[in-house]
Amino acid sequence: DSGVTQTPKHLITATGQRVTLRCSPRSGDLSVYWYQQSLDQGLQFLIQYYNGEERAKGNILERFSAQQFPDLHSELNLSSLELGDSALYFCASSVAAGANYGYTFGSGTRLTVV
Amino acid sequence: GQQVMQIPQYQHVQEGEDFTTYCNSSTTLSNIQWYKQRPGGHPVFLIQLVKSGEVKKQKRLTFQFGEAKKNSSLHITATQTTDVGTYFCAGPRGNEKLTFGTGTRLTIIP
Repeated sequence: DSGVTQTPKHLITATGQRVTLRCSPRSGDLSVYWYQQSLDQGLQFLIQYYNGEERAKGNILERFSAQQFPDLHSELNLSSLELGDSALYFCASSVAAGANYGYTFGSGTRLTVV
Repeated sequence: GQQVMQIPQYQHVQEGEDFTTYCNSSTTLSNIQWYKQRPGGHPVFLIQLVKSGEVKKQKRLTFQFGEAKKNSSLHITATQTTDVGTYFCAGPRGNEKLTFGTGTRLTIIP
């Protein structure tokens, strides 16, 4: 157990639907990062939050949004889902903002859009 | 923008052979991190290198950071079946987040 909790582990949904992925960071970590990993692909950065505020944005689609709540858990909302959105979505956390600290990853949510 | 490339993309080795993966950045990095992702698993932080020319060892794994801080390598001596997985390097893009390399998938032939 890495200390980063992601739910659900698996999600199967139809095209056009909306889903919410949830992440609880490791205790004491203030930064949360969301990454997308498609089949046999690398890790694509989506968005970062630090202590409730958005800090950095990657190539995140307009159909996707995220937020971090006062208790530091984060949610990634994916809407108008397309087949190409099928992927593993990882949440990671680190103790502070910035890329000078190692990330702790959760076990991911596997999204299948049918 | 900054890109982090890794070679090779795939590597198949006999158990007991050595393995090396190389990481190259288009820009100078303040630090480089390495992660391992087992099949079906999530990335796990292995190590961070900060200084130019730095070398760190973890048992059979040796990590190097280039003098120009634009490249890095991971060398595994005498591979074992437990070494199977994809190895990613990652470097900062801007100040806020890590850009992950393309990864090297290691397969061990028993």
